[in-house]
Amino acid sequence: NAGVTQTPKFQVLKTGQSMTLQCAQDMNHEYMSWYRQDPGMGLRLIHYSVGAGITDQGEVPNGYNVSRSTTEDFPLRLLSAAPSQTSVYFCASSWASRGEKLFFGSGTQLSVL
Amino acid sequence: GENVEQHPSTLSVQEGDSAVIKCTYSDSASNYFPWYKQELGKRPQLIIDIRSNVGEKKDQRIAVTLNKTAKHFSLHITETQPEDSAVYFCAASPMGRSGNQFYFGTGTSLTVIP
Repeated sequence: NAGVTQTPKFQVLKTGQSMTLQCAQDMNHEYMSWYRQDPGMGLRLIHYSVGAGITDQGEVPNGYNVSRSTTEDFPLRLLSAAPSQTSVYFCASSWASRGEKLFFGSGTQLSVL
Repeated sequence: GENVEQHPSTLSVQEGDSAVIKCTYSDSASNYFPWYKQELGKRPQLIIDIRSNVGEKKDQRIAVTLNKTAKHFSLHITETQPEDSAVYFCAASPMGRSGNQFYFGTGTSLTVIP
């Protein structure tokens, strides 16, 4: 049982490049989400999904796309990276019912030059 | 949407002393309040949580209190140890939304001085 697996751990992009951050969980969680963590800002929700084929926007969705084709995977896409997207990104999952513990991935440190 | 404020942003205590971190929330529909600990370079880990039908919960040296009327909740760490040094985040999760939308505070960096 690997839990929540995120790749890559580190990534450097040039402005305008695109990339996909991968997230997979093997706990059969219905709920998956992406957060970004910036100094002094806490964890801010980017996008989330309550099941395959269902996604919705969080607090800071601009510049990011997501899809949920399977229960296990929830990739985050940056279509045209900007320096403002330099951050640490965490994927997290939980069971769908409200009031459930979030399981976090190990994070991706992204730098956009 | 929900707004969670957390104070203080930094906290230094002597080993053995107590530490208290406070959070307020704005959405009366929030009914689940977890606390996460994040060590440097690591992922956040849940350390304790409380639901809105409970006023206090304790787990060894860690306790959380909730005042629904005032919309605030607090983390209490007693007999602090150097390994308690980390960033602590509070969060609130409103009822009635689709899925678990967690709104996090901005974090408290706790340093325990040996």
